[in-house]
Amino acid sequence: EPEVTQTPSHQVTQMGQEVILRCVPISNHLYFYWYRQILGQKVEFLVSFYNNEISEKSEIFDDQFSVERPDGSNFTLKIRSTKLEDSAMYFCASRYNERNTGELFFGEGSRLTVL
Amino acid sequence: AQSVTQPDIHITVSEGASLELRCNYSYGATPYLFWYVQSPGQGLQLLLKYFSGDTLVQGIKGFEAEFKRSQSSFNLRKPSVHWSDAAEYFCAVGTTDKLIFGTGTRLQVFP
Repeated sequence: EPEVTQTPSHQVTQMGQEVILRCVPISNHLYFYWYRQILGQKVEFLVSFYNNEISEKSEIFDDQFSVERPDGSNFTLKIRSTKLEDSAMYFCASRYNERNTGELFFGEGSRLTVL
Repeated sequence: AQSVTQPDIHITVSEGASLELRCNYSYGATPYLFWYVQSPGQGLQLLLKYFSGDTLVQGIKGFEAEFKRSQSSFNLRKPSVHWSDAAEYFCAVGTTDKLIFGTGTRLQVFP
């Protein structure tokens, strides 16, 4: 069964360092997303991406965050200068193109710990 | 403000017992409604969804949920829980492009 894969599963970094989280969405999917979950809190929407541009972003997704689809398979989330409060589980998701009924398929998450 | 409330942080049931996980939401219009499950080390898996029509929806693994517009609720139920159902369950509302999640309910199943 096709699945969304994420790497790394866990990354520890120092505050101020750049981090790139990688995702390989399901191959025929066209819509891509990042969500995050701070420990003990809700899963929160960060950004949606379609046709090589951001469709929508939340207030959390400030200038320190960026997303990119550098090739036909990867979808990355970059945090330029990490802060302690960026520590969270980051989930990538993808969807086919059925606007109203398409299911979001989530990856297993990448846990980011900022020290 | 748009929000989802899952009032039960942790529920423990015996295997074979029935289960109901509560979900209430606040949203401007009638949203799409979802239940996801996350097993340890796994991603979020869709259990079921409600878009329109019959307010009782069936999902995978024997789960069902009922949408009650008057109560702004979308409770998840299962008549007989299996040990493999132990996981974290998330209610979510919104559109397929932007979901608002609850904080989750952790289900523990005793043999």
